[in-house]
Amino acid sequence: EIVMTQSPATLSVSPGERATLSCRASQSVSSNLAWYQQKPGQAPRLLIYGASTRATGIPARFSGSGSGTEFTLTISSLQSEDFAVYYCQQYNNWPPLTFGPGTKVDIK
Amino acid sequence: QVQLVQSGAEVKKPGSSVKVSCKASGGTFSSYAISWVRQAPGQGLEWMGGIIPIFGTANYAQKFQGRVTITADESTSTAYMELSSLRSEDTAVYYCARPSQKFTVTTVFDYWGQGTLVTVSS
Repeated sequence: EIVMTQSPATLSVSPGERATLSCRASQSVSSNLAWYQQKPGQAPRLLIYGASTRATGIPARFSGSGSGTEFTLTISSLQSEDFAVYYCQQYNNWPPLTFGPGTKVDIK
Repeated sequence: QVQLVQSGAEVKKPGSSVKVSCKASGGTFSSYAISWVRQAPGQGLEWMGGIIPIFGTANYAQKFQGRVTITADESTSTAYMELSSLRSEDTAVYYCARPSQKFTVTTVFDYWGQGTLVTVSS
């Protein structure tokens, strides 16, 4: 099973600032890496797939990069609606599909 | 557009079973995998298994093998997840989720149900 880790666990950022979130896989997942955003009481929402492709309707301030075992999600200028928990997910090796433990982005 | 609507919250006793449904609308039901992902209170996301209705065979995470059964009814565009031998640690929100890519479970989830809270308590 591929284990996903994320850092930091919590990221405190001021509105308008840049946020950089990291995700690491225990072995290579190529570019088969996705990012989701989840707000309290809501289902996750797909942001990025293929490590760097934005899903439909996702603003350009969200960008993803990386391949192999190291990945980054960058939010270029945080808006109020971006404060949430972010999860990475690998879909290269299965079963199982695996998620990281999440990074909470909160207001500084 | 694609919508996944799940059944309502459940309260179950330890040792019993629960069956959660997920009705899909919009798009072709049979060609797209339905996966089940759970989230314990305050915790992360955990994939349990998935099925492509037209093929009928489900794949499960090893952790849940023998305790979970995922099925799909093409006639009603509804997928089901049944979890048996429930214990308190199974208390969680259970989501169904679907990709926009056909014929594969090994992919990302574009569409999600609203979630079903299952509480296991004596």
